[in-house]
Amino acid sequence: AQSVTQLDSQVPVFEEAPVELRCNYSSSVSVYLFWYVQYPNQGLQLLLKYLSGSTLVESINGFEAEFNKSQTSFHLRKPSVHISDTAEYFCAVSESGDKLIFGTGTRLQVFP
Amino acid sequence: DADVTQTPRNRITKTGKRIMLECSQTKGHDRMYWYRQDPGLGLRLIYYSFDVKDINKGEISDGYSVSRQAQAKFSLSLESAIPNQTALYFCATSDLYSTDTQYFGPGTRLTVL
Repeated sequence: AQSVTQLDSQVPVFEEAPVELRCNYSSSVSVYLFWYVQYPNQGLQLLLKYLSGSTLVESINGFEAEFNKSQTSFHLRKPSVHISDTAEYFCAVSESGDKLIFGTGTRLQVFP
Repeated sequence: DADVTQTPRNRITKTGKRIMLECSQTKGHDRMYWYRQDPGLGLRLIYYSFDVKDINKGEISDGYSVSRQAQAKFSLSLESAIPNQTALYFCATSDLYSTDTQYFGPGTRLTVL
C-alpha cells in the first residue's frame, strides 16, 4: 500500500525567504508524484508533477521539487516566497497516475 | 465560467437526512472523482468513475453512494447523514489521455448536526 507523509503541518516564513516543504512516500512499486496547491476557499490545483525522466521538476511560478528515489522523498522548494504563495500544499502519490493518495497537507504562511 | 462546478457550495443538514451533492463539468473528461477533506487528514477518495458505466469504490466509500448520470455529471449521496460526515467535499475530473492531472471543483462544505 502507498502512503504519503508531510511532516510539517504549518510552515511560517517571511516574504523573500527560501522555503522547503517536505514530503516522503512509501510504495512497493514505481510511482508518480505530485504537488497540489489549495488557495483559501478554492479547490486544489496541480502545481507540478514527476512522472519519469528528469528528477527535478519545476512549476511556472518558481517552485521546484526533486524526486529522490533512495530517500523516497519529493520535497518542494522555492528560493524566495511571496505573500501570494500563502496556501495549503498537498503532496500526492499514485501508482497509475489517476487514483491519488494525498498527504495531510502543509499550510504555508508567508508574512510581510 | 468554471470548468468543474459543485452544488450546493454550503449545506447544513440534520442527522438521518438524505443529502445529494452534485458535480458538473464542461471539460469533456471521462474520469470523475469524489474526495472528502478533513482537517489534518488531507483528501481521501470516496468514489471514482472512469466512464458512465464504470463506478468504483475508493478508500472510504462506506455511508456514501454515487450516480454517474452522464459523462458530465457525477453525484454523491449520503443516504442517512451522520455528524462524522461533516467535511469539505471535492469533485475532480481527469482526461482519459492525461489521467495524471486532476481538475478540482471549488468544494461543498457539508455540516451534519
